[in-house]
Amino acid sequence: AQSVTQLGSHVSVSEGALVLLRCNYSSSVPPYLFWYVQYPNQGLQLLLKYTTGATLVKGINGFEAEFKKSETSFHLTKPSAHMSDAAEYFCAVSDPNTGNQFYFGTGTSLTVIP
Amino acid sequence: DTGVSQNPRHKITKRGQNVTFRCDPISEHNRLYWYRQTLGQGPEFLTYFQNEAQLEKSRLLSDRFSAERPKGSFSTLEIQRTEQGDSAMYLCASSLANTEAFFGQGTRLTVV
Repeated sequence: AQSVTQLGSHVSVSEGALVLLRCNYSSSVPPYLFWYVQYPNQGLQLLLKYTTGATLVKGINGFEAEFKKSETSFHLTKPSAHMSDAAEYFCAVSDPNTGNQFYFGTGTSLTVIP
Repeated sequence: DTGVSQNPRHKITKRGQNVTFRCDPISEHNRLYWYRQTLGQGPEFLTYFQNEAQLEKSRLLSDRFSAERPKGSFSTLEIQRTEQGDSAMYLCASSLANTEAFFGQGTRLTVV
């Protein structure tokens, strides 16, 4: 069984400040991990993914995330927040052996304060 | 645009009516997923197709819900005898085997 926990349903940062959104997962096998962003009344857009290889992955819009197996974490970071980063962010996990569904966290709403 | 397309974008229906949503996946993707998302929550898995075969269904998918993917291309999700609790965003996604899912814009259903 797989699950995702996102700590902090709401995060506020000042424009230009570091963004840190937390994601911890539970999985019986080494998972594939994803971060998606959702703007109001829109679908989900992939920010980045980890499958195998380098544990630090870079995505679109300056975001990156690091897979830490020992901590079962996949936190999302961005060095400098921009107003356009305000959105809902979802962490997701899938079983690489089956890939028959993606398990999502409950999301973190990011507010950027000018 | 060759992304995932969902129609309609919005649907308002009266309680007890039937509704049908359509999803056109990315053409080369053999996997198709339906999710439901309510306000303030993450997407919840409903069902999954590999080509035309429906391989998995969530326990969330009551008997009033049915999904099809004829010929392994587009998919439809039908809800019969809608209830107010069915009001949600219905998201479709597609993927190749063991890769990320690409999502459509969603269909927002409001049951009045």
